[in-house]
Amino acid sequence: QLQLQESGPGLVKPSETLSLTCTVSGGSISSSSYYWGWIRQPPGKGLEWIGSIYYSGSTYYNPSLKSRVTISVDTSKNQFSLKLSSVTAADTAVYYCARRRGPDVDYWGQGTLVTVSS
Amino acid sequence: QSVLTQPPSVSAAPGQKVTISCSGSSSNIGNNYVSWYQQLPGTAPKLLIYDNNKRPSGIPDRFSGSKSGTSATLGITGLQTGDEADYYCGTWDSSLSAGDVVFGGGTKLTVL
Repeated sequence: QLQLQESGPGLVKPSETLSLTCTVSGGSISSSSYYWGWIRQPPGKGLEWIGSIYYSGSTYYNPSLKSRVTISVDTSKNQFSLKLSSVTAADTAVYYCARRRGPDVDYWGQGTLVTVSS
Repeated sequence: QSVLTQPPSVSAAPGQKVTISCSGSSSNIGNNYVSWYQQLPGTAPKLLIYDNNKRPSGIPDRFSGSKSGTSATLGITGLQTGDEADYYCGTWDSSLSAGDVVFGGGTKLTVL
């Protein structure tokens, strides 16, 4: 059974860079059929797609976040990562990593709350 | 403001049927498959419907999906209190302003 697990700091200071890693187990991140992505959900609000990456390194980013987002992949560790720079309180959210199969997101991590505060 | 439009809330009595709409455009729903997700309180979303009307293994046939033009609909029959959740539609958007997967704003289902 495929599992995804987010890890990283739960508290980030304003103007700093948020960094999260997703570890994939039970399957290979190098599968040709899938993209791997990040989604966030501010408290009490809806889902926002941040971006996704193919194992080869090809990426798609949400245009509203593109200038601040970098998603990378480490196939040797079966991991992919998110960096979001110049964070503000508006970036406080639960961050999910996920597997994208075409337009579907068929596997989700449990999510990790990241709070932006000094 | 979400790319896909859903009603903020719907409600119905146990045992009844409810539908949740999702409206988009030709750059998203009109030319791509639609998915639906169920998010129970305090948990991660779960894929409920994919490719407009297919159910992943383990999803009961009380849940159904359909698409027509630039709109999609999720149907739930035989409502149970355990169906109380937030429901999101999602799809691919090929416009330059979207760039990837887009979601609706979510619909909160209350089973009265």
